[in-house]
Amino acid sequence: KAGVTQTPRYLIKTRGQQVTLSCSPISGHRSVSWYQQTPGQGLQFLFEYFSETQRNKGNFPGRFSGRQFSNSRSEMNVSTLELGDSALYLCASSLGRGRGEQYFGPGTRLTVT
Amino acid sequence: QKEVEQNSGPLSVPEGAIASLNCTYSDRVSQSFFWYRQYSGKSPELIMSIYSNGDKEDGRFTAQLNKASQYVSLLIRDSQPSDSATYLCAVSGGYNKLIFGAGTRLAVHP
Repeated sequence: KAGVTQTPRYLIKTRGQQVTLSCSPISGHRSVSWYQQTPGQGLQFLFEYFSETQRNKGNFPGRFSGRQFSNSRSEMNVSTLELGDSALYLCASSLGRGRGEQYFGPGTRLTVT
Repeated sequence: QKEVEQNSGPLSVPEGAIASLNCTYSDRVSQSFFWYRQYSGKSPELIMSIYSNGDKEDGRFTAQLNKASQYVSLLIRDSQPSDSATYLCAVSGGYNKLIFGAGTRLAVHP
């Protein structure tokens, strides 16, 4: 079974721009969670989608948003990029029901200059 | 107050020894607990999940959970240099939200 895929793998943007990241979950998984990983803050939860609905949201500003499509693929968008948004963005997929084992994709490395 | 705490390490063990990694959490209602391994420059990889008090063994890995003490641990037997990585403890925080500790860096030396 194919794993979680994320595109693009690397991205360089300028302050003030916006960016869209994509995640395709494991086949049959209906939940996608997004995380931000930085050296200073570690791994932090952004939001989770299940069946196109956001069920849970972390403590990030409204510049961070996401959505999920009917095929369970998910996108996250960051508007008005700041230098502090430079991070590894990870998505994780799970069945969405049950005990919630999550499997991570390879991540998108975003650098904001 | 951090919700999930881990010793950042590095924890250095000789090859063949048992590595013991520990984690405490603050939310008493947490029901699901996970250990992830992350190699430098890679994404986290799920290695163990545990939901009930006691021990759960999978190959060289044993996870231990004590909900009364709010404590989770991971034992790695017969440690190998390839086990050198950062080990992340994660606790469920509702609807597929995982709360991660800062991670413990493990170094296994030959």
